[in-house]
Amino acid sequence: GQNIDQPTEMTATEGAIVQINCTYQTSGFNGLFWYQQHAGEAPTFLSYNVLDGLEEKGRFSSFLSRSKGYSYLLLKELQMKDSASYLCAVRRQYGNNRLAFGKGNQVVVIP
Amino acid sequence: DSGVTQTPKHLITATGQRVTLRCSPRSGDLSVYWYQQSLDQGLQFLIHYYNGEERAKGNILERFSAQQFPDLHSELNLSSLELGDSALYFCATSRYRTASGANVLTFGAGSRLTVL
Repeated sequence: GQNIDQPTEMTATEGAIVQINCTYQTSGFNGLFWYQQHAGEAPTFLSYNVLDGLEEKGRFSSFLSRSKGYSYLLLKELQMKDSASYLCAVRRQYGNNRLAFGKGNQVVVIP
Repeated sequence: DSGVTQTPKHLITATGQRVTLRCSPRSGDLSVYWYQQSLDQGLQFLIHYYNGEERAKGNILERFSAQQFPDLHSELNLSSLELGDSALYFCATSRYRTASGANVLTFGAGSRLTVL
C-alpha cells in the first residue's frame, strides 16, 4: 500500500523561505524525489534523497528522515517563477521508476 | 525541452469514444512510462514498457491499453471513454541520472484529454 501526504496550498512573499512537507507510508522505500510542476506543464525534477539528511542544490534543499517517513523541500530567496505545484514521489523498489506521487503542494509567491 | 514528444497536446472528445495518445522518446531511450494526472487523484502510474515489452502495470483500467513499437515510440489507447477519464496524460523516460547515479523520470509535455 501507499500513502503520501502533502499540504495542499501555501502563500509566501518574494524573497522569503518556504518549507514544503511530505510524509509517506509505503510498502518499500528506495528514494524520494521532488518535482516542480507549473500549471498545465510537465513535472520537472528538482532533487532526490535516498539517505537521511540534507541535500542542497542552489536555492533548493531537500531533507529526508527514513525512520519518520518524512521529507521536506526548502525553497530560499523565493522568486515569482517559483509559483508552482511541488510534488513528492516515492520509489518503492530499486531499479524502477514506478513512482508513487503525492497530490502536490501549490505554492503561490506574492510580491 | 525534455526531448520526449507527445501528441496531440489537446484532445476533446465525447463519452464512449476511443482515442490514441502518442509518445516518442529521445533516441536511445528504451523505457516509456505512462502516467495519468487528474485533479482529484494526482499523478498515477499507469504502465511501463521497456524495449517493446510490458514491464509493469499500475492503476490502469481494462478499457486502456498501451504498446511500444520497434522504433520505441509508444501509444496509449483509451476506449469507451467516460467523463472521469478527463485528465493530463504524461509519458516519461528514465535515461537521466543524478550525480549519485539514480535514474530520474523526464516527462513529456503531456496530452490533455477532455471528455464531454
